[in-house]
Amino acid sequence: AQSVTQLDSQVPVFEEAPVELRCNYSSSVSVYLFWYVQYPNQGLQLLLKYLSGSTLVESINGFEAEFNKSQTSFHLRKPSVHISDTAEYFCAVSGHQGGSEKLVFGKGTKLTVNP
Amino acid sequence: DGGITQSPKYLFRKEGQNVTLSCEQNLNHDAMYWYRQDPGQGLRLIYYSQIVNDFQKGDIAEGYSVSREKKESFPLTVTSAQKNPTAFYLCASSIGTASQPQHFGDGTRLSIL
Repeated sequence: AQSVTQLDSQVPVFEEAPVELRCNYSSSVSVYLFWYVQYPNQGLQLLLKYLSGSTLVESINGFEAEFNKSQTSFHLRKPSVHISDTAEYFCAVSGHQGGSEKLVFGKGTKLTVNP
Repeated sequence: DGGITQSPKYLFRKEGQNVTLSCEQNLNHDAMYWYRQDPGQGLRLIYYSQIVNDFQKGDIAEGYSVSREKKESFPLTVTSAQKNPTAFYLCASSIGTASQPQHFGDGTRLSIL
């Protein structure tokens, strides 16, 4: 079975500070990794994904995540955050399980960017 | 614009009542999913369907039912057997392979009167 652990439930930071949201996963099969963002009372939006190839993946709004197979991690980083980055962030892992493909989510990290 | 439409945005249920949440997609995706979201719990899978006329239970299917009669529609019924239905419900769809991301609707918030 696959599982995802997001180590921090809440992360408060000041505007223009760097941030790292941590994600660790466990799986017995090859995985694909995703970060989603959720703004209040909305659905989830895909932020970035790792499928294969380069272990560093980037999003269009300045976030990046690095796949580390030896540490089974996929931490999300941004060098300088904005007020508008305030949201909840979910790490997710997918892989073939028992004849079907499922997505397993972490419990989420609430990022609050303060002025 | 392609996407997923969930309705209604807010729904209230009386004790002993069944309610149905609508989910429609025009992305031509084969797979559709229903999740329940509670504060601090992340997303938990209720039911999923990989093809029309077929669906499987997820991790918390008790008290819920679904149907998949059309490719674009995957309604979820919250039955009176679900004793704690207050939550945010999210519908998603995907091409159906593990490497492809899921696309989400904007959710339905269900509350008990």
